[in-house]
Amino acid sequence: DGGITQSPKYLFRKEGQNVTLSCEQNLNHDAMYWYRQDPGQGLRLIYYSQIVNDFQKGDIAEGYSVSREKKESFPLTVTSAQKNPTAFYLCASRGTGIRGNQPQHFGDGTRLSIL
Amino acid sequence: GQQLNQSPQSMFIQEGEDVSMNCTSSSIFNTWLWYKQDPGEGPVLLIALYKAGELTSNGRLTAQFGITRKDSFLNISASIPSDVGIYFCAGRAGNTPLVFGKGTRLSVIA
Repeated sequence: DGGITQSPKYLFRKEGQNVTLSCEQNLNHDAMYWYRQDPGQGLRLIYYSQIVNDFQKGDIAEGYSVSREKKESFPLTVTSAQKNPTAFYLCASRGTGIRGNQPQHFGDGTRLSIL
Repeated sequence: GQQLNQSPQSMFIQEGEDVSMNCTSSSIFNTWLWYKQDPGEGPVLLIALYKAGELTSNGRLTAQFGITRKDSFLNISASIPSDVGIYFCAGRAGNTPLVFGKGTRLSVIA
């Protein structure tokens, strides 16, 4: 089945701890994105990557880090520097290049909570 | 970062009624997308629009790309209980990341 897989579905973090959220896609998409969603809010862009080994900061990158070593994978690390990490995190991907302007699709999200 | 102005923020409607929501932007976009999100899940793409003036339907849903390229609307006809959820608009200029509205929360009363 083609799609975007986020894991785990629920994640708990202790104070001062780094945690990594996984995002894998088998759609052969070049671009991948991470968003944060807070209750009653829209989606805010954390980081995005348009190609392997390259990524850009979004609107709220502070306290987060990413890597893009493989086309299929775009893990997000929530570091201890992120003081308010409790949120719903969404990963998305999009085809680009010769296929032109393709729509963006989302995974099912990871809910991160602080213990 | 930039956000779209999406309205209304919430709606309570009777089953069978039609629904209309819209988004406006201060910038010109070349893509408008509409998503629906159910609780605890990721947004699902409903309709994608790529040309000014384009009107596209997906079942009971119809969306239009405004001719000024700064707005879009989504209509849902004859609403049913499973239409409940949060609807998001999103727009893009060029190859930049999508900008999202804050969502319209739809409640359907049977």
